[in-house]
This record gives sequence, C-alpha cells and structure tokens, in this order.
Amino acid sequence: AQSVTQPDIHITVSEGASLELRCNYSYGATPYLFWYVQSPGQGLQLLLKYFSGDTLVQGIKGFEAEFKRSQSSFNLRKPSVHWSDAAEYFCAVGSVNNAGNMLTFGGGTRLMVKP
Amino acid sequence: NAGVTQTPKFQVLKTGQSMTLQCAQDMNHEYMSWYRQDPGMGLRLIHYSVGAGITDQGEVPNGYNVSRSTTEDFPLRLLSAAPSQTSVYFCASSPGLPRSSYEQYFGPGTRLTVT
Repeated sequence: AQSVTQPDIHITVSEGASLELRCNYSYGATPYLFWYVQSPGQGLQLLLKYFSGDTLVQGIKGFEAEFKRSQSSFNLRKPSVHWSDAAEYFCAVGSVNNAGNMLTFGGGTRLMVKP
Repeated sequence: NAGVTQTPKFQVLKTGQSMTLQCAQDMNHEYMSWYRQDPGMGLRLIHYSVGAGITDQGEVPNGYNVSRSTTEDFPLRLLSAAPSQTSVYFCASSPGLPRSSYEQYFGPGTRLTVT
C-alpha cells in the first residue's frame, strides 16, 4: 500500500526567506504526486502535480516541486515566502485501485511566516 | 459555478444520534469522495463514488454510509455517532478521466463534534 510522510509537522520561516517542505512517498509503481494547500478554515487547493516527464514542476503562487525517484521524494519549494503563504501543506500520492482513483495524503506541514 | 458545496459547516451531535452531511457539486464531475481530517493524520478516504449508482469503501468506512443517486449529490450518513467520529469532513470531486480524476476539488468542510 502507498504511504506519504511529511517529516516536519511545523515550520517557521521569515518573510522573504526561501522555503522547502519535505515529502517522502512509498509506492510500487510510478507515482502521481501532488501538493495541496489549506488556508485556515478552508478546503484544500491544488498547488501542483506531477504525472511524468520533467521532474521539476511549476505550480501556482510561485511554488515548485522536484520529483526525485532515487530518494522517493517530492519536496516543495518557494524562493521567497510571503506572509499569505502561512497555511497547512499536504503532499499526496495518487494510485489506481479496483474501481477508481485514490489519493493518499501525508500528515501535513503547518507553515508559519514571521514578519 | 459554486464548485463543491457542503452543509452544514458546523454540527454537534450526541453519541448515538444519526445525521447526514450534504455534498453537492455543479461541475458535472464523475468522481466524488469523502475524507475526514484529523490532526497529524492528513486526510483519510472514507467512501468514494465513480459515478451515479456506484460507491465503494475507502480507508476508514466503518460507521458511515453513502449513496449516489445523481451526479451532483453525494451525502454521507453517520448511522450512530461516536466520539471517535469527531473530525472535519471534506467532500471532493474530480472530472473522472484517468489522470485528471486525481485533481480533486474540495469543499469548505464540515466540522463535526460528537459528545
């Protein structure tokens, strides 16, 4: 069965600093990988996705992520964090089961941004 | 285009009571899912549907029932509420093609407390 680990439960960065959120997955085949963001009191919004091809993918809000098969990782990065980026971030792996598609989520990383 | 809507936003139940969480989408998506979100555990799949009349169990289905009589609606029923079902519940939908079905659109959530 697939699984996703986000090792950092909380991360605090200063506004303007760079950001990297870690994600490791376990999946037998080529994974479909996602990052979602959840602002306080809101549902989840898709930031970016990886299906195949270029291992560096660009998303919305200036985020990018790099798929590294050898490390089973899909880390999320942003060069310069804005105060509005404070939220919870979820990494997810997609898999096909008997009758449909499923997303397995990591436990999430809560990002706090210092002024 | 309202996207995915959920009602109610908040609910308090007593142990043993039953209730239905409503979910509707106006995007003509084939796939719909219910997740629960608990601290540190990310989102876990309860039930999902690949189309009207077709439902299946996810990772944590016990204590919940679903049905899908129309493309638009996917209600989640708690048969006899227990304190362990205190959680935030998210409904999601996706278009249903093999790849794009992984891009799930989430509702705003229902926060349920069982006392």
